[in-house]
Amino acid sequence: EAQVTQNPRYLITVTGKKLTVTCSQNMNHEYMSWYRQDPGLGLRQIYYSMNVEVTDKGDVPEGYKVSRKEKRNFPLILESPSPNQTSLYFCASGSGANVLTFGAGSRLTVL
Amino acid sequence: AQSVAQPEDQVNVAEGNPLTVKCTYSVSGNPYLFWYVQYPNRGLQFLLKYITGDNLVKGSYGFEAEFNKSQTSFHLKKPSALVSDSALYFCAVRDMGGSGTYKYIFGTGTRLKVLA
Repeated sequence: EAQVTQNPRYLITVTGKKLTVTCSQNMNHEYMSWYRQDPGLGLRQIYYSMNVEVTDKGDVPEGYKVSRKEKRNFPLILESPSPNQTSLYFCASGSGANVLTFGAGSRLTVL
Repeated sequence: AQSVAQPEDQVNVAEGNPLTVKCTYSVSGNPYLFWYVQYPNRGLQFLLKYITGDNLVKGSYGFEAEFNKSQTSFHLKKPSALVSDSALYFCAVRDMGGSGTYKYIFGTGTRLKVLA
């Protein structure tokens, strides 16, 4: 089944404790992206990647890092999480057809 | 700057009635426009897109959207709403950056509530 898989789905952590949210797709898509969803703000793009070793900032990249060493994986790294990064995070991938396939989401709480 | 606006936080409609969820956009070039739907505790799912061609595009679950260039709008419509259509709907535009890279810009979402 074609899908985007995110882990963990739920995470509670404390300020400053580094964490990684993994994202993997099995559709051989070149494009991958991370979004955060906050009430009243919709989805905001954090980072995106056009292909392996090619990444670029979205609208809200501060406090996040990404890497794209393999085509299928696009992890999101929070080096030193803060409470304002408490949010619902989505990974997505897409092809030249422009349609995005989203993961099920990862709900992160930073205390 | 490129942007997408969904002016209604919530739309209520009776089952069986037509529904419209509004979206307006601002982009520098030709827009690639999309609608996605999010059900509770799920990721976003693609509904339909406009790239070029006929201004009326049809998508999944009986939804359609009309591209209006002069009004820079891309409203989502359905002739007869179902209770199961209740969800959060997002309009999105693809920004074709000058360097050939691109990113998607999403609206803030409209919650559709279909009343039985």
